[in-house]
Parts: sequence; structure tokens; C-alpha cells
Amino acid sequence: AQRVTQPEKLLSVFKGAPVELKCNYSYSGSPELFWYVQYSRQRLQLLLRHISRESIKGFTADLNKGETSFHLKKPFAQEEDSAMYYCAPNTGANSKLTFGKGITLSVRP
Amino acid sequence: SAVISQKPSRDICQRGTSLTIQCQVDSQVTMMFWYRQQPGQSLTLIATANQGSEATYESGFVIDKFPISRPNLTFSTLTVSNMSPEDSSIYLCSVVLAGSLDTQYFGPGTRLTVL
Repeated sequence: AQRVTQPEKLLSVFKGAPVELKCNYSYSGSPELFWYVQYSRQRLQLLLRHISRESIKGFTADLNKGETSFHLKKPFAQEEDSAMYYCAPNTGANSKLTFGKGITLSVRP
Repeated sequence: SAVISQKPSRDICQRGTSLTIQCQVDSQVTMMFWYRQQPGQSLTLIATANQGSEATYESGFVIDKFPISRPNLTFSTLTVSNMSPEDSSIYLCSVVLAGSLDTQYFGPGTRLTVL
């Protein structure tokens, strides 16, 4: 069965610490992968997608096909990074996304 | 970027009634979707809204419970019918903008509480 796994519900770090939010997927073929973020009282928004190979707000995510992972990383967390993060593969059929359960990142001062 | 709006932003409804949620976009879109986010849960895709034809529903969702219309490219409605407390959720529309590849952009959501 096709699915996406975000194994942790919560990650709490101090400001300046490195962050890695894990995402593993199980799909046949080569899905397009996205990370979405929801800040407090804001709508869900795209953070980055793997095909763009960009660094957004200091975050990067590398697609590892061997490990079927798409972990989100940032070397130095900031308080404003505190939010809910969702990993979402696009299975390629009509742009449909499947969302992981999400992880809450809390960055303490 | 596009402006995606939803109406109403929230509502409290009685069991057995129906609520229609609207989604409006101010740019050309290729795809429109409706999601549900139950309390403490992730987003679940309800259906793809197809312009001028019946929506394509995901497993576990049926047209009688969640009728969807999309009369033109930039507007869609989702109705939650014969509501029960289990329908209390945030309902979100999302769109793929013309020229934006497969990236989905989300509306602000409609928070529904059923008593």
C-alpha cells in the first residue's frame, strides 16, 4: 500500500540547534515530494518541493530514493520556525497529495 | 500569487442539517480539491472537484454525503449533508494554479462544529 510516514509527533529544540524532521514514503514509481508548513493561526502553505532543490527559510530536503526518505533539515533553528510541518508526496495521478500525520516543531529561546 | 477565499470561515450547526462551503480563487486554476482535517488529525482528501462534471471522490467519501459543484474554473462548493458531530472538522479547498506545475495552494479553511 502507498503511504507516507512521519514517525514523530513533536520535536522540541533550543534556538540555534539543528533540526531534522523525518519523512519516509512507500510508493511505487517516483513521487514528487513536498513539505507544507502551518504557522499558528495561518493557513497551510508550501515550504518546499524536492524538484526545486531550493533552500527556503534555511530549510532543505533531500530525496533519498534508496532509503525512500525526504527528511527536512535546518542547521540552526529559529523561534519563528515553530509550526506544524507536513510531508506530502504527490503520487502523480492528477496532482493528488497524501499528507503525513505531521510533526509539531517547537523552538525554545 | 493568488487569493483563495472560503466562506464561511466557521460555523456551528445542528445535527441533521447541511452546510455549503464556498471556495473562490482570483486566478486561473487547473485543479481544485477538497480536504478534511479532523481534530488532531492530518489532512484527508475528500474529492477532486471537476469543472462541469461530477467530482471524483476518494475511498470512504460519497457524493450523497459530500456533494460538490464546480460550475467554472475558479469557484467550487462543498456541501456537508445531514451532519452529525463526527463531521466536526476543518474543511479546506486547495488549487493548482495554471502554470504552477503540481503545487497545491490552500484556502484558509472552514471550521465546522456540529452539535
